Amino acid sequence: EIVLTQSPGTLSLSPGERATLSCWASQSVSSNSLAWYQQKPGQAPRLLIYGASSRATGIPDRFTGTGSGTDFALTISRLEPEDFAVYYCQHYGSSRWTFGQGTKVEIK
Amino acid sequence: EVQLLESGGGLVHPGGSLRLSCVASGFTFSSYAMSWVRQAPGKGLEWVSAMSNSGSATYYADSVKGRFTISRDNSKNTLDLQMNSLRAEDTAVYYCAKESPYGGNPARFYYFDYWGQGTLVTVSS
Repeated sequence: EIVLTQSPGTLSLSPGERATLSCWASQSVSSNSLAWYQQKPGQAPRLLIYGASSRATGIPDRFTGTGSGTDFALTISRLEPEDFAVYYCQHYGSSRWTFGQGTKVEIK
Repeated sequence: EVQLLESGGGLVHPGGSLRLSCVASGFTFSSYAMSWVRQAPGKGLEWVSAMSNSGSATYYADSVKGRFTISRDNSKNTLDLQMNSLRAEDTAVYYCAKESPYGGNPARFYYFDYWGQGTLVTVSS
């Protein structure tokens, strides 16, 4: 079973700053299997990135997904007020999905 | 517009049962596999169960295997989750999610492109 580890647990930044979130897989995975979601309090998760680097419909280009093998990242180039949320990476394999524990991006 | 609306959550005693339902609209339900994903209070996301578009294939997380049963009715655009032998650790918001295929034909990878708003299940005495 693939285990995803996200870091940091919490990222404290100001609007306009750059955010870099990391996701490590316990073993090498296909880039096609990696997705990122955003979740705000009281809301359902929203798909941001799939296939490690493809933005979902309607996702602004300030969100960028990169990585391969075991190391993946989500970068938010300039934080907007609506970007402060929890972000999860997700892996799909063998008809199962696993999520990282999440990174909270909070206002500094 | 794709919409997923869950219902059926509530308070149940340990060992009890509950049936969740999800009504889908805005897409051809019978063409897509569907999943249930849960989130315990203040915790992260955990995939629970999935069903293929035709209903012929089902998958379960180890934590619920043998206790939960997923089903669907493509004529009514509904996805259900029958939960038996409930435990305190099953307390969570349960989300219905639409799977989107990716990476070839047939697809080898799936992600969740639409989610419902969730229904809260509380298991407590």
